[in-house]
Amino acid sequence: GEDVEQSLFLSVREGDSSVINCTYTDSSSTYLYWYKQEPGAGLQLLTYIFSNMDMKQDQRLTVLLNKKDKHLSLRIADTQTGDSAIYFCADSRGYSSASKIIFGSGTRLSIRP
Amino acid sequence: ETGVTQTPRHLVMGMTNKKSLKCEQHLGHNAMYWYKQSAKKPLELMFVYSLEERVENNSVPSRFSPECPNSSHLFLHLHTLQPEDSALYLCASSQGEGSGSNEQFFGPGTRLTVL
Repeated sequence: GEDVEQSLFLSVREGDSSVINCTYTDSSSTYLYWYKQEPGAGLQLLTYIFSNMDMKQDQRLTVLLNKKDKHLSLRIADTQTGDSAIYFCADSRGYSSASKIIFGSGTRLSIRP
Repeated sequence: ETGVTQTPRHLVMGMTNKKSLKCEQHLGHNAMYWYKQSAKKPLELMFVYSLEERVENNSVPSRFSPECPNSSHLFLHLHTLQPEDSALYLCASSQGEGSGSNEQFFGPGTRLTVL
């Protein structure tokens, strides 16, 4: 089965907050990431959190990490139409010389007026 | 150009063709990656190169052949592909060992269609 799991779809009203949830299985993960993919584009790194942190805030984005439950969430405040995209949760299992990142299936966020 | 670039952006090929995908990173990174993104499937890691040496090959069929001539360039050579190989192929790079967060930076992808 998947090592990183996310729900496939989320629909929110413009101006509301969006919360995208993710669970992972590897307790040795050192970094956890959120990537955004807009139609026809590659993945764009939004933010990341080190595994010894509980929370990270970056403008409209808030990442919460519950390491005990292996649960990661991304909150987008004041969601706008430009936030429509697929959001991927990922965790890092390092090689000695490169990074091995395991991605979830992605959550498609749609914004309704 | 900056970041990670990929060419071509779109490619249509027959099953008997031979083509190559190109990726170039302008970030001074030491590691490069090929991923396959198909509809309704998670992102699949195909190959990992670190300092021009392949460190992972995730059971990828031999009709996909990677090449990393230097730390800035990565190729994916394609031959006798199947229609199920149609997908978005994404290249990424990362700093490599000792970089801390070691996040990967992605190119825009090549949309491949195999007829």
